[in-house]
Amino acid sequence: EVQLVESGGGLVQPGGSLRLSCSASGFTFTTYVMHWVRQAPGKGLEYVSVISSSGGNTYYADSVKGRFTISRDNSKNTLYLQMSSLRPEDTAVYYCLRPYDYWGQGTLVTVSS
Amino acid sequence: EIVLTQSPATLSLSPGERATLSCRASQSVSSYLAWYQQKPGQAPRLLIYDASNRAAGIPARFSGSGSGTDFTLTISSLEPEDFAVYYCQQRSNWPYTFGQGTKLEIK
Repeated sequence: EVQLVESGGGLVQPGGSLRLSCSASGFTFTTYVMHWVRQAPGKGLEYVSVISSSGGNTYYADSVKGRFTISRDNSKNTLYLQMSSLRPEDTAVYYCLRPYDYWGQGTLVTVSS
Repeated sequence: EIVLTQSPATLSLSPGERATLSCRASQSVSSYLAWYQQKPGQAPRLLIYDASNRAAGIPARFSGSGSGTDFTLTISSLEPEDFAVYYCQQRSNWPYTFGQGTKLEIK
């Protein structure tokens, strides 16, 4: 059974940093592109970042470019999202997904003083 | 960035009725369009990929059509569990984008 489990969310002050993790199981992680998508409270869905199966290619939304870094450890079947210089508008539930049919349950990031 | 515009914003129908949801792209996305269903407190669920292909386990009452810039999701006969928010999403060009959503509510 495919499972994606996010962790690392929480409350952080503006300007702070946080690292999200997504632990994958039930499929061959090393062969899949992986994605991060977020959803602000009561709002729609927004793509954040994508990483190739090897980790050699990464893509970012303009809203997070230069502040967020996506990475993966294929030996640990884990996807990461390092977030820095966080802003209140980054407050959202962050989902990792294996495109396009498997999503994690999401982890809430709240940026507030 | 490709903008996806969904209409209507809210659709009020009764169980058993037919639902037609629209998604229009600001430029061609070929057939690289997906539809998702989202219920409160849950992650989105893939319904349709590549415009017209049902995802695994999705009932046959859900169908997708279209190509280029105009797409439609049709639910042939609404079941009580179908009332939710629906999003379209394109993967033709980065950044991938979602529509703003259509809320399907019980009339």
